[in-house]
Amino acid sequence: GAGVSQSPSNKVTEKGKDVELRCDPISGHTALYWYRQSLGQGLEFLIYFQGNSAPDKSGLPSDRFSAERTGGSVSTLTIQRTQQEDSAVYLCASSPRDRGTGELFFGEGSRLTVL
Amino acid sequence: KNEVEQSPQNLTAQEGEFITINCSYSVGISALHWLQQHPGGGIVSLFMLSSGKKKHGRLIATINIQEKHSSLHITASHPRDSAVYICGCGSQGNLIFGKGTKLSVKP
Repeated sequence: GAGVSQSPSNKVTEKGKDVELRCDPISGHTALYWYRQSLGQGLEFLIYFQGNSAPDKSGLPSDRFSAERTGGSVSTLTIQRTQQEDSAVYLCASSPRDRGTGELFFGEGSRLTVL
Repeated sequence: KNEVEQSPQNLTAQEGEFITINCSYSVGISALHWLQQHPGGGIVSLFMLSSGKKKHGRLIATINIQEKHSSLHITASHPRDSAVYICGCGSQGNLIFGKGTKLSVKP
């Protein structure tokens, strides 16, 4: 498809398990963002990938969270030893330009529920 | 103090009213973004601007760089405009967003 694709759309896991969330950005988009949105809350910045530069990981809430972007395209957000407070919708966005100067295209999100 | 603050937090209007949502920020910016999130959850980009004013249909966005303030206006509001409107900005790429303004337009 032409848009940003995220998978899985829904994930239910048990506390302590690891989860991987995937984001396929729009082809050719150099910038990729991960955000988290808890119920009724705003968008919480997690991590930003920009071209071949080192990612900005300043928003990752703990060392249980990590993300990578392979070949400047697909990105995976990994949460290790999940906790109930990790329950949220994880949103990915891509942009054709870096440094926030391009239009943002959001995926539909991955809803994570940690029991 | 949050880096990006929006007001009001909630807004109820009658169909046809002129709507204004405000966004103030304390960080340096390359650009400011306005997003719309419908109850179903999908987020779409409305505007990206770094100066002046942009217009798309009934929506108008303005920014005053000196005052670090942006406004989103909706003319002739309609119930289908009911959504959460979110502003965000940044200068190094890590875009920070406000908590959003929940707009409800009554017929």
